[in-house]
Amino acid sequence: NAGVMQNPRHLVRRRGQEARLRCSPMKGHSHVYWYRQLPEEGLKFMVYLQKENIIDESGMPKERFSAEFPKEGPSILRIQQVVRGDSAAYFCASSPPNLRSNEKLFFGSGTQLSVL
Amino acid sequence: AQKITQTQPGMFVQEKEAVTLDCTYDTSDQSYGLFWYKQPSSGEMIFLIYQGSYDEQNATEGRYSLNFQKARKSANLVISASQLGDSAMYFCAMRELNSGNTPLVFGKGTRLSVIA
Repeated sequence: NAGVMQNPRHLVRRRGQEARLRCSPMKGHSHVYWYRQLPEEGLKFMVYLQKENIIDESGMPKERFSAEFPKEGPSILRIQQVVRGDSAAYFCASSPPNLRSNEKLFFGSGTQLSVL
Repeated sequence: AQKITQTQPGMFVQEKEAVTLDCTYDTSDQSYGLFWYKQPSSGEMIFLIYQGSYDEQNATEGRYSLNFQKARKSANLVISASQLGDSAMYFCAMRELNSGNTPLVFGKGTRLSVIA
C-alpha cells in the first residue's frame, strides 16, 4: 500500500524555466495539499485540492504558481519562470474526503527545488 | 497572525533524559486538533501524536506524550528516554475543525539534538 508519492525528489532549474512537481496521493485519498518549506522554516500551506477542484488556494502566490488535480493522474504544482527565491522543499500531503477531527495528513517525501 | 508559536529554535538533551518542546497556539475556534510531526535530516514528515481540543486526557504514544493545557493554549511535546535517533526537527501544527477540511498550520519548528 504505497504512501504519498512525490517526484522528482530533486529538481534543478535555471532562472526563467518552468518547474513541474508531481504528487500521487495515497490510494483512496481524493484530497491533496501542497506546502512549501524554506530552509530552517516550518511548512507553509499553499493550496488544497480535490479532484478537478481547487478548494483553498489562499497560500498560493498570485503569479507564476498554479496547481491542478485532474480526474486521472497526479496532482501537479507548476511554477513558471522560476526565480532563486522559489528554491525550497515542496511537500504534498493527502487525506480522504470528510476528514475526521483526528485524521492526520500523510506526507510525501518532498521535492527539493533548486533554482540556479 | 501567527497561529502556532514554537519559541525554541534549538534544544539539546542528553541521551536517556526527557525533553519538553514548547508549542503555543492561537485560535478562537472551540473545536481544533493539535499535531506534532518529526522531520529527520532525510526530510520526510513523520506523524507523532495528536490531541483534540475536547480530549480530557493528555495524549500518549510510546515515548511521546503531549502536555495539553487548554486554558494556556499550550500543547508541549514531551519525549522521554531520548535516543540518538530522536535528533530531528519537530513541528507543532493545528487544524481548526469548525470550517470543514481546513489545512494544517505549522509552527517554525524546534531542532532537537540528542547528545551521547
